[in-house]
Amino acid sequence: AQRVTQPEKLLSVFKGAPVELKCNYSYSGSPELFWYVQYSRQRLQLLLRHISRESIKGFTADLNKGETSFHLKKPFAQEEDSAMYYCALRSGSSNTGKLIFGQGTTLQVKP
Amino acid sequence: DGGITQSPKYLFRKEGQNVTLSCEQNLNHDAMYWYRQDPGQGLRLIYYSQIVNDFQKGDIAEGYSVSREKKESFPLTVTSAQKNPTAFYLCASDSYYGYTFGSGTRLTVV
Repeated sequence: AQRVTQPEKLLSVFKGAPVELKCNYSYSGSPELFWYVQYSRQRLQLLLRHISRESIKGFTADLNKGETSFHLKKPFAQEEDSAMYYCALRSGSSNTGKLIFGQGTTLQVKP
Repeated sequence: DGGITQSPKYLFRKEGQNVTLSCEQNLNHDAMYWYRQDPGQGLRLIYYSQIVNDFQKGDIAEGYSVSREKKESFPLTVTSAQKNPTAFYLCASDSYYGYTFGSGTRLTVV
């Protein structure tokens, strides 16, 4: 079965500390993975996708097919990074298709 | 300014009443989706449509219905059969780059 697991409901760090939000997936095909972010009072928005291999707002994520993981990392957390983060897996072979979301992790960056 | 518009922002429903949530997009996207967001459960797929006049059930379709008569519009009806409708509902449209989300509708049963 296709599934995305984010094991931490809440991750609390101090400003300047490294951050790693964990995401594991189960999928039998070739996965396409995303991270979405929801800041307070804002709509859910795309943060990054694995195939573009870009760094957005200092965040990076590497797809590890051996460990079936797509952890989101940032070397130095900022207070404005506080938000809800969702990992998502696109199922199907087309360039569009339904996303399966994890349960979400709330990142709290303390001053 | 392209995007997805959901209305209303807040909606109150009485027991036994059907209500319809609106979702409109001007992005020219073929695929549209409805998700329900509950604390600790992430986003769960209710219905989706990949083309006009066609739609499929998602993981939690019971008690919901949709229509897709126009490319721009994908309304969701929450029927009286939905046992626990109080939630935050998100509409999205899809492109190669990923989803674009609306701002959501918060539905409360009173």
